[in-house]
Amino acid sequence: DTGVSQDPRHKITKRGQNVTFRCDPISEHNRLYWYRQTLGQGPEFLTYFQNEAQLEKSRLLSDRFSAERPKGSFSTLEIQRTEQGDSAMYLCASSSFGRGYTFGSGTRLTVV
Amino acid sequence: GIQVEQSPPDLILQEGANSTLRCNFSDSVNNLQWFHQNPWGQLINLFYIPSGTKQNGRLSATTVATERYSLLYISSSQTTDSGVYFCAVAGGNEKLTFGTGTRLTIIP
Repeated sequence: DTGVSQDPRHKITKRGQNVTFRCDPISEHNRLYWYRQTLGQGPEFLTYFQNEAQLEKSRLLSDRFSAERPKGSFSTLEIQRTEQGDSAMYLCASSSFGRGYTFGSGTRLTVV
Repeated sequence: GIQVEQSPPDLILQEGANSTLRCNFSDSVNNLQWFHQNPWGQLINLFYIPSGTKQNGRLSATTVATERYSLLYISSSQTTDSGVYFCAVAGGNEKLTFGTGTRLTIIP
């Protein structure tokens, strides 16, 4: 069990640029989740996958956000035309049914 | 969706003291977890405890699912226990909803 890996750890980008984050879940976990956390708040759900199928998307996930999980393995979260309000910690987690979530270290995005 | 309330929002204690953190939730749950968020932002899973009692060293947790609350106990607190503690719950869809956290500060 190597845990959940996220890359990069930090990303600074200019407003209007596109960014992509990667998450590698625990290999035997079939569910993968993306959350966003802003300062002083608890993490908020964005979207989740069961294997390669994206089963739910939050209303927080505007059209500028897209997530994929090809072949049910790693996942990517892309933000197009970034805005300052996108600055946050983006957290990935994985789980299998009846077991708890394991979170990665997160990607901290700063939009300048 | 399920509502999660944590109390107290902030707690300041001397090293060596004991503490109890509370989590109330609004509906039946299939999953309840306690996390400690470290200064670098990573969420460390402390307990997966949808019901019953568990202990791990100086930490223990109890969930009374029928009364919709959970308690996290920290005994003989150390400065390394400082940080934010989150309770998170999920219903049938397995989607975790987080509370707003308890910020714990342990003073040497």
